[in-house]
Amino acid sequence: AQSVTQLDSQVPVFEEAPVELRCNYSSSVSVYLFWYVQYPNQGLQLLLKYLSGSTLVKGINGFEAEFNKSQTSFHLRKPSVHISDTAEYFCAVRTLNSGGSNYKLTFGKGTLLTVNP
Amino acid sequence: DTGVSQDPRHKITKRGQNVTFRCDPISEHNRLYWYRQTLGQGPEFLTYFQNEAQLEKSRLLSDRFSAERPKGSFSTLEIQRTEQGDSAMYLCASSFGQTNTGELFFGEGSRLTVL
Repeated sequence: AQSVTQLDSQVPVFEEAPVELRCNYSSSVSVYLFWYVQYPNQGLQLLLKYLSGSTLVKGINGFEAEFNKSQTSFHLRKPSVHISDTAEYFCAVRTLNSGGSNYKLTFGKGTLLTVNP
Repeated sequence: DTGVSQDPRHKITKRGQNVTFRCDPISEHNRLYWYRQTLGQGPEFLTYFQNEAQLEKSRLLSDRFSAERPKGSFSTLEIQRTEQGDSAMYLCASSFGQTNTGELFFGEGSRLTVL
């Protein structure tokens, strides 16, 4: 079975500083990878996804992530954060079974990013 | 249609009562998912429908939980004889099968508090 580990439960940073939120996954088959963001009292919103091709993917709000198959990682980065980036960030994986029938996502426990002035 | 809608957004109930949540997916989406999220945790998969067929159920979905999607459009999640441990945010998501990218579109959730 697949699993997702987000190594940091909380990441405090100052405004305009760079940030990296770490995500590692475990799967014996190929995967699609996702980062979602959840603002307070809101649903999850897709930031970016890796399906295939270039290992560096760009998402909304200036975020990007790099897929590293050998390290089974999909870390999220932003070169300069804003106060408005304060939110919970979730990494998720979808495994690609041979029948292509596994459509659910498995999520990590989340990382709370707090951007301070 | 602006997205996935869930109702009610908040529900407070007493232990032992039954509760029902409704989810209306994005209209052309044929797949619908229910997840549960507790404080400090990521969303945990509960169950998934393709059209009206319930194709997968998590072991988290005890026999007190039942989900339906009778006409392949909206879905309901019922919890019978609620327990304090059922207190959580219940998230609904939908996806469009033809694209097959796996992206889920989430509603804002229904928060359940069991007293």
